[in-house]
Amino acid sequence: DIVMAQTPLSLSVTPGQPASISCKSSQSLLYSDGKTYLFWYLQKPGQPPQLLIYEVSNRFSGVPDRFSGSGSGTDFTLKISRVEAEDVGVYYCMQSIQLPQTFGQGTKVEIK
Amino acid sequence: EVQLLESGGGLVQPGGSLRLSCAASGFTLSSYAMTWVRQAPGKGLEWVSSISGSGAGTYYADSVRGRFTISRDSSKNTLSLQMNSLSAEDTALYYCAKGLAARPYYFAMDVWGQGTTVTVS
Repeated sequence: DIVMAQTPLSLSVTPGQPASISCKSSQSLLYSDGKTYLFWYLQKPGQPPQLLIYEVSNRFSGVPDRFSGSGSGTDFTLKISRVEAEDVGVYYCMQSIQLPQTFGQGTKVEIK
Repeated sequence: EVQLLESGGGLVQPGGSLRLSCAASGFTLSSYAMTWVRQAPGKGLEWVSSISGSGAGTYYADSVRGRFTISRDSSKNTLSLQMNSLSAEDTALYYCAKGLAARPYYFAMDVWGQGTTVTVS
């Protein structure tokens, strides 16, 4: 199974400041079709996960442009340019290049 | 609007069975891969099972293979998860989720239901 490792596991951010979460996979997520199957989800308190970013850097419908994803191969980053109060929750990266799909441990983001 | 509504969770004794259902609306279930993901209390997300868009392919986590069965009823636009031989380790909130793209083996999920709770005790 592909292991996904996120850092940090928790983050306390002042509103308006940037935040960054790293995700490293134990194998390359680049598939033969040229796409990289790395996804980012946010689970707000008491809610199901919601898709933020698909295939490394594509924002899902309705996701604010303060969220951005980057990376390649085995090394990925989610950035929030200016954190807002509504961004609190747990962020997960997930790989979908092979089954079982696996998630990172989650990064809990709180507001200072 | 795409919506998923899970049902069927509850309290069951070890060794018992439950059948979870996920009613889909706003899209045609058979056009997308579908997935069950669970979350134990206070823990992270764990992929449980997926079914391809055609329904020809079914896939399971090692922890549930041989005990759980995923299926779909296209006429009812419903996804199911039959869970047998349940143990305390299966206690979790179970989510169904829709594949992002209308490709039969695109398993990554976009829309998730609210989940249904399974407690084995």
